[in-house]
Formats: sequence, structure tokens, C-alpha cells
Amino acid sequence: ETGVTQSPTHLIKTRGQQVTLRCSSQSGHNTVSWYQQALGQGPQFIFQYYREEENGRGNFPPRFSGLQFPNYSSELNVNALELDDSALYLCASSLPLFGELFFGEGSRLTVL
Amino acid sequence: KQEVTQIPAALSVPEGENLVLNCSFTDSAIYNLQWFRQDPGKGLTSLLLIQSSQREQTSGRLNASLDKSSGRSTLYIAASQPGDSATYLCAGTLGGSNYKLTFGKGTLLTVNP
Repeated sequence: ETGVTQSPTHLIKTRGQQVTLRCSSQSGHNTVSWYQQALGQGPQFIFQYYREEENGRGNFPPRFSGLQFPNYSSELNVNALELDDSALYLCASSLPLFGELFFGEGSRLTVL
Repeated sequence: KQEVTQIPAALSVPEGENLVLNCSFTDSAIYNLQWFRQDPGKGLTSLLLIQSSQREQTSGRLNASLDKSSGRSTLYIAASQPGDSATYLCAGTLGGSNYKLTFGKGTLLTVNP
């Protein structure tokens, strides 16, 4: 059984650029959630995907968008990057409805 | 606003000590409460999940309890070891949500040899 994998692990971008982060869910899990963790803070919910549809969204602007593919993998896209977007982006997979969340190692984004 | 609070923010103990980490939340209508461990610069490792119908869960030296009426959860670590040093985060599905985890800021635990 493979766990949640994320890529890339680290990346550096400049303000105004766009970034795509990728996540492969744990085997058998059809629900993927994305979280943003700023330094010294707890993770903040961005959105969740279930059956390729956005199932819920946190307090993030529309320049944060996502996709889920038929194999349950997912992408997080962030347009017009701002300095405050610098954070650890965490992907979690689960079974739907009250399932335990399993997280990947995260993608560390630095915006200069 | 649904919130999760963790006290203390940091804790330092000698090896072998039993300890308790505290978590409080603002909503008694909580579905799940999950405890995680995070090593520096790493992702989250799930430790224990307590569903709303349960009062506690145990795994090895770890025991977590959930009291919905008082809005509190505790994580008990027995016979602490230096390898237990990490940040411990609690998170709950609050406010009627069955999918969104609301996290505390975590407790940084240091176990000294």
C-alpha cells in the first residue's frame, strides 16, 4: 500500500508567477484535500475534491484552484503568486465522510 | 468562528515522564477529532482518530480522549522518549462540516535524554 506522495518537494517562484503542485492519493482513497501551513501555524483548509468535483472550500481566493483526476490524483494551482503564499502545502487523502486523513510530506513553496 | 486551541504552546520534559497535551474546541457538534505528529519541515503523521461516538482511542504509549460536552481532548503520552520530540497537532471537523479539519497551532514537545 503506497502512501500519499507530493511533488515537487521544494520550489522557488517569484511574485506574479503561477505554480502547480501535484498529489497522488493513498491506495483506495477517493477524496483529496489540500491545506496551507504557514510557518509556526496550524494547517488551513484550502479545498477538498471528491469524484473529480470540488466538495468544499476554505477562505482562499479564486486564484487557488484545483483538479482531481479519474485515478484520484490531484493538482493545486496558484496563479499570480504573492509573497504571503510562501508556505508548506499539504495534501491529504481519505475515504469520504468522516474518514481519517493521511497526509503527504508536503511541497515547500517560497515566493520571492 | 470555529476554533481549536492547544495549550501549552511548548513543553519540555525529561525522558521517561508521562505527559498530557491539551486541546480545546468551540463546537460540541464535532464529528471527528484527530491527533497528528509533525517533525520539523515534514508532513503530518496521523496518530489517533476519535469519532464522535467514541470517548477515547489507544495506540501503544498514546491515549487520546474526547469530551464533546466540555469541548476538550487530551493526548496522553506514557514513558516519553527523545524520539517523541515533535510538534503535536489536534484537529477537528467542526461547525457541521464533515470534511474540513480545523487545526490548532500545535504543542512543541521536547523530551530531554
